[in-house]
Amino acid sequence: GENVEQHPSTLSVQEGDSAVIKCTYSDSASNYFPWYKQELGKRPQLIIDIRSNVGEKKDQRIAVTLNKTAKHFSLHITETQPEDSAVYFCAASTKAAGNKLTFGGGTRVLVKP
Amino acid sequence: DTAVSQTPKYLVTQMGNDKSIKCEQNLGHDTMYWYKQDSKKFLKIMFSYNNKELIINETVPNRFSPKSPDKAHLNLHINSLELGDSAVYFCASSQELQGGSYEQYFGPGTRLTVT
Repeated sequence: GENVEQHPSTLSVQEGDSAVIKCTYSDSASNYFPWYKQELGKRPQLIIDIRSNVGEKKDQRIAVTLNKTAKHFSLHITETQPEDSAVYFCAASTKAAGNKLTFGGGTRVLVKP
Repeated sequence: DTAVSQTPKYLVTQMGNDKSIKCEQNLGHDTMYWYKQDSKKFLKIMFSYNNKELIINETVPNRFSPKSPDKAHLNLHINSLELGDSAVYFCASSQELQGGSYEQYFGPGTRLTVT
């Protein structure tokens, strides 16, 4: 089955700096890669996603890149703000596996003012 | 007008008891899921139902039994609760969109504590 590795597990950045989180996946059939943000005590919420036929996607301060050959994808947050502090999860899925999401282990991001 | 709701939000119970968690979605989605988030925040799929049919059943003890009375509801019943069952359980739902993406909407979670 699919295995998703996520690094780093914790990330501390100064407000205004950029944050980068990297994930690798094992199943070459995976074709959908969402990123979720989970604030303390809250539910995971989708912040951006990318499909395997696209190499990059951007939404304001957030961007995701996908390298299918290397089987890795990354989340980039620019101009970080204190409200970006949360746990971020990458995930991978394939329709053949019932669209189930296999999550990475999460990255706890702390943005220091 | 909550999209995905779960009850109860908190559940404290003793080892050996049987308990149920309920989930409802009003998004018209045809697929629903149960995830378990352990104390280290790791999120793992347990079950998935599509139009009331079980399509994903991960390696979960058979003390856990999901039930979907209709496509808007997915309940989780747990028998003979153990300490290791303590976790936050999230329900989610999704609908495949044109282009193949399918955002999963999560419920608020049920924090289960087994003492």
